[in-house]
Amino acid sequence: SQTIHQWPATLVQPVGSPLSLECTVEGTSNPNLYWYRQAAGRGLQLLFYSVGIGQISSEVPQNLSASRPQDRQFILSSKKLLLSDSGFYLCAWTRVAYYGYTFGSGTRLTVV
Amino acid sequence: QKEVEQNSGPLSVPEGAIASLNCTYSDRGSQSFFWYRQYSGKSPELIMFIYSNGDKEDGRFTAQLNKASQYVSLLIRDSQPSDSATYLCAVNKGPGYGGSQGNLIFGKGTKLSVKP
Repeated sequence: SQTIHQWPATLVQPVGSPLSLECTVEGTSNPNLYWYRQAAGRGLQLLFYSVGIGQISSEVPQNLSASRPQDRQFILSSKKLLLSDSGFYLCAWTRVAYYGYTFGSGTRLTVV
Repeated sequence: QKEVEQNSGPLSVPEGAIASLNCTYSDRGSQSFFWYRQYSGKSPELIMFIYSNGDKEDGRFTAQLNKASQYVSLLIRDSQPSDSATYLCAVNKGPGYGGSQGNLIFGKGTKLSVKP
C-alpha cells in the first residue's frame, strides 16, 4: 500500500531563518506531488505541484521554493522566513488526479 | 465568483440527525468531485468521491451531484459527535487546469458540530 510521510510535525522558526520541509511517498512510482498551505481560518492554498523529477510549477509568487530531487521526494524551502509564512503545510500525492489526493499529516510552522 | 463555494458554518446538528453540507462550483466542465473531512489540527482525509450525476452512498455518508445545477452535497445520516469536523469540498476541473490531469480546487470548508 502507499504511504506518505511528512516531517517535522511542528516547527518554530525565527524570522529570517531558512526552512526545509520534506515529503516522501512510498509504494508507488511517478506520483504527482503537491504542497499546500492552510493559514489559520483560511482555505487550502496550492503552493507548488510537480508531475516528475525536476518539474516544479508554482501557483503563487512567494517567499518559498520547491524541489523534487527524486521521484518520490518533494521538498519545500525558504532562504529567509517571514512572519506571514506561518501556517499548516500539507504535502499531497496522487497517481491520477481524477480520483483525488492523499494528504500527509502536515507540518505546523510558526514563525516568530 | 469563487470556483468552489461552501457555507463556512458552523453547522450545528443534534446527535442522530441528518447533516447536510452543500457546495457549488463555477466550471461546468468539472469532472470529479470530492468531500474531505478535516479534524482540528489534522490533515484532510478523503471520505467521498463522485463523478456522475445522482447519489453515491457509503455507510452513513451520501454524496449527491447535480451537474446541471453545478451543485454537490454531502449527507451524513445518524450524525455522531465524532463527525464534528470541517468538511472540504473539492473539484477537479480536468486536464489542462494545472498539470496534465488537472489540480483539485478546494472550497474553504464548512465546520460541522454535532451536539450530544
